Formats: sequence, structure tokens, C-alpha cells
Amino acid sequence: GESVGLHLPTLSVQEGDNSIINCAYSNSASDYFIWYKQESGKGPQFIIDIRSNMDKRQGQRVTVLLNKTVKHLSLQIAATQPGDSAVYFCAERGGSNYKLTFGKGTLLTVNP
Amino acid sequence: DAGVIQSPRHEVTEMGQEVTLRCKPISGHDYLFWYRQTMMRGLELLIYFNNNVPIDDSGMPEDRFSAKMPNASFSTLKIQPSEPRDSAVYFCASSLWDSSYNEQFFGPGTRLTVL
Repeated sequence: GESVGLHLPTLSVQEGDNSIINCAYSNSASDYFIWYKQESGKGPQFIIDIRSNMDKRQGQRVTVLLNKTVKHLSLQIAATQPGDSAVYFCAERGGSNYKLTFGKGTLLTVNP
Repeated sequence: DAGVIQSPRHEVTEMGQEVTLRCKPISGHDYLFWYRQTMMRGLELLIYFNNNVPIDDSGMPEDRFSAKMPNASFSTLKIQPSEPRDSAVYFCASSLWDSSYNEQFFGPGTRLTVL
């Protein structure tokens, strides 16, 4: 039969604008979260992480927000640049289990 | 550090052939992970090791897949016999245990095509 690809959510922004990428997670026991960036033809690259005892963490041009009440994670990128174009994945670690579970990803396209 | 090293970067083989993917983790890391990425299923964990011992292989799709880690600096993922549906990008990642953080460092991946 016909194969159906994974339809990634997409976000298209203008260069210089701020970007917000969202992620819903399912395991209320998850205690650690990471955002990864994957450029075409490369492996995922760490951007920023946050523990469940925090609700906000800032890095260079990036901020991660965690809302445990609704099990929602977001990544904010300030002054988005063409080099930010990539697929962004959130990942969660569920309690005592050391492995990460990755979300489906969001494709970010930055228009010059 | 050179980061996680994977070889080969690309592999094209015919159905029924044995395929071996190789990974060298970052020196000093005590966890090693094998992932598979496809458009259909996204990024899936296949198996992971701690101190060279397999901890969780529940993601290994079937008996055709096997993974070994004979020492701290080398791991293999083997598919025998390979099938077209095994076509994917296979990533190896490594990390250093920390109760607080869990950043995994990914290799560049091996793109496998089974004809």
C-alpha cells in the first residue's frame, strides 16, 4: 500500500523574529527534558535542558519553559537566524529510567 | 574530543545481506545508545548499554537485530539478514551518568539503504 510519511509540524518565521516551538509530553513522572536541533544530514545536537523542579531556563538566545500542570514544554528562540533552520525535537526522561523518549519534531524554516 | 564516531556514513546493500554498523563513543562516557530514524516512525531508541552491559533492548525490532559492546570504546549494531524496511538512518549516542542531567551526544549517523 501507499506509505504515509511522518508529517512534521512546521513553523515558518522571518529572520529576526522570535520563534516559539511547542511540545506536549505524556509521562507525568518525567523529571528531565532536553531540546535538540537536527540539521539536514546531521545527528541531533543538544540545545538546552531543564529539570522538572524548574519552570524556566535561559541559554544564549534560547529559553525553555516547562509547565508541568499541563505537561507542556516550549522552546523560544530570540532573533531567529537562517542558521536556526532545522528540525527541533523535545525529549523527556521518565523518572528512574535513564533513556530518553523523543517527540516527533518540528520543522523550523527561517525566511531571509 | 572528536565526538561520537560512526562508520560507515552510508551503506547500500541488498536484501538478505548482513550489515554491521560501528560506533565509537566519546571517551569516558559510560552510556551508549543506538537509535533508528525514519520518516514514518521518527527517532526510536533500539538499545542502550551502561558500562558495556546491555540495559534495555526492548526497542530492538526483531531477532534479526543484535548489538554488542565488547569494550568501552566500541559498539556494533548488526542486522542479519537485512530487509528493505530496515532502510533508515541509524544513530549512536553516548553520555556520562549524572543524576541531574542526561545530555546525550549524537554521532553523524549511518544512512542504510537495503535494496
